Amino acid sequence: EPEVTQTPSHQVTQMGQEVILRCVPISNHLYFYWYRQILGQKVEFLVSFYNNEISEKSEIFDDQFSVERPDGSNFTLKIRSTKLEDSAMYFCASSGASGGRDTGELFFGEGSRLTVL
Amino acid sequence: ELKVEQNPLFLSMQEGKNYTIYCNYSTTSDRLYWYRQDPGKSLESLFVLLSNGAVKQEGRLMASLDTKARLSTLHITAAVHDLSATYFCAVVEYNQGGKLIFGQGTELSVKP
Repeated sequence: EPEVTQTPSHQVTQMGQEVILRCVPISNHLYFYWYRQILGQKVEFLVSFYNNEISEKSEIFDDQFSVERPDGSNFTLKIRSTKLEDSAMYFCASSGASGGRDTGELFFGEGSRLTVL
Repeated sequence: ELKVEQNPLFLSMQEGKNYTIYCNYSTTSDRLYWYRQDPGKSLESLFVLLSNGAVKQEGRLMASLDTKARLSTLHITAAVHDLSATYFCAVVEYNQGGKLIFGQGTELSVKP
């Protein structure tokens, strides 16, 4: 069964360092997302990406964050200068399309746990 | 702005009992999801509910959607320990693509 894969599964970094989280969405999907879950809290939307550009972003997704689809398969989330409060589980998700509209069933990856010290 | 509220947030059940988790949302939506999350793990899709009156069942779990009341329920029948997990509902705001707004989650603990 096709799945969304994420790397690394866990990353520990020092405050102020740059981090790149990688995702390989399901191959025929066109819509890509990053969500974040701080330990013990709910899942929060960060950003959606379609047709090689950001289609929507939340207030959390400030100038320290960026996303990129550098080739036909990877979808990355970069945090330029990490802060303690960026410690969380980051989930990548993708979904298909029908008639140009996102069909909406999201498939989530296993997550990348980021710990900022 | 779409808001999604679940209750209860914590639920301790005995095996064999029935219970219902509620999910209310604040604006029109055309899709609602229920997910299960085990500690430290990803989100496992349980149900996708697309229309008013939709009811879906899988094993001991049954989900329903009332779009007029903006309410979904997840009913647990004869709970077993394996159902212990956190359950999230998530709602897509109408015509807003795949952006999900999640509820706070309901942490379910089923005790023997």
